[in-house]
Order: sequence, then structure tokens, then C-alpha cells
Amino acid sequence: GENVEQHPSTLSVQEGDSAVIKCTYSDSASNYFPWYKQELGKGPQLIIDIRSNVGEKKDQRIAVTLNKTAKHFSLHITETQPEDSAVYFCAATSTLGRLYFGRGTQLTVWP
Amino acid sequence: KAGVTQTPRYLIKTRGQQVTLSCSPISGHRSVSWYQQTPGQGLQFLFEYFSETQRNKGNFPGRFSGRQFSNSRSEMNVSTLELGDSALYLCASSLERFAGYTFGSGTRLTVV
Repeated sequence: GENVEQHPSTLSVQEGDSAVIKCTYSDSASNYFPWYKQELGKGPQLIIDIRSNVGEKKDQRIAVTLNKTAKHFSLHITETQPEDSAVYFCAATSTLGRLYFGRGTQLTVWP
Repeated sequence: KAGVTQTPRYLIKTRGQQVTLSCSPISGHRSVSWYQQTPGQGLQFLFEYFSETQRNKGNFPGRFSGRQFSNSRSEMNVSTLELGDSALYLCASSLERFAGYTFGSGTRLTVV
């Protein structure tokens, strides 16, 4: 099955700086790559996703890039704010219909 | 638009008992998946239902089962509970089978 690795496991940045989280996947059949934000006591919330036929996607301060050849994808958050502090998960799925998650990145944004 | 609703939010059970968790998907979503989240194993796939049929199953023992009703609501059942079943159980629904999964807030199960 698919194996998704995520780095770093913890990330601390100053408010206003950028944050980058990277993931790699193993299954070349994977074609959908969502990113989730999970706050304490809540379920994961979809913040952005990308399909394999697209190389980059942006939504305000958040962007995701995908390199199919290298099998890696990254989340970029610009102008970070304290409310961005949470655990972020990358995931990958194919037509098997299940999400394979990375182990998560605890992002802390210091004011 | 209402999100994915999971009930109950918290549950404490004794070893050996069984438990049933409920999930109401977003209106119109026919795909419902279940995941187990623990600090040690992270987020692991349990099963997926689409149009009342189980389409996919993860690597969990047969004590874990589920079903989906004609209104797309889903339940999962765990029999003969073990201490290791303590986890946050998350339900996700989507309009299409392979994308756009929206998660509920989960049911926190504690087995004592």
C-alpha cells in the first residue's frame, strides 16, 4: 500500500514568517493530495487539496506544490498568524478510496 | 450547511463490552469513511461505505465492523473492547468517492 512520510514533526516560526511542510509518497497511482489542519479537540479540517494533473494551487496565504516525478508535495503558509498554530496532516489517495496520512506536523506560531 | 455529525462525543467503556458509534454525513454525501486516531499509530483507515456497501476495509480485526443506511448515515461497532481500542474515532464524508473528505469532530472512546 501507500506510504506517506511527513517532515518536520514540529515547526516553530515567528508571526509573519513563512512555514513549509513537506511530504513524500510511494505509490505512483496516488492522484489526490489533501492537507488537513487539526486543532485540539476537533477533527481534521480540509484546508487545501491538489490533484495529480496540477503542479501548484493557491488559496490566499496557503499554497500546495506537487512534484509527481519526485513523488513529493509541500504545504506553504505565508504571513503566519498565531491562529495557524495546529497539527497539519498531509495525505494521499488513489482510486482505492482510502486516505493515507502522514504522521503530522505540530506548527507553533509565536506572536 | 451542516457538517459531519458524530455521536456521542465521548464514551467510556469497560474491557469486553461492545460499543456503537454513529455518523451523519453532510447532506448529499454518499461516501462515508471511518478512521482511528491514536498518538502511537496516527490516523488509520478502518473502512469506507458507499451506497450502503462496504467498498474498502483497512487492516483491523473482525471485532471492528460497520454499516451504512439508505440515508447515508453510518454506524461502526467494536465488540469485545480491548484497552488498545482507546482512540479518537473519526468519520469523514465526501460527495465523490476519492476526494474532498470532510471530517467530523470524532468520538473519543476510552476503554478501562
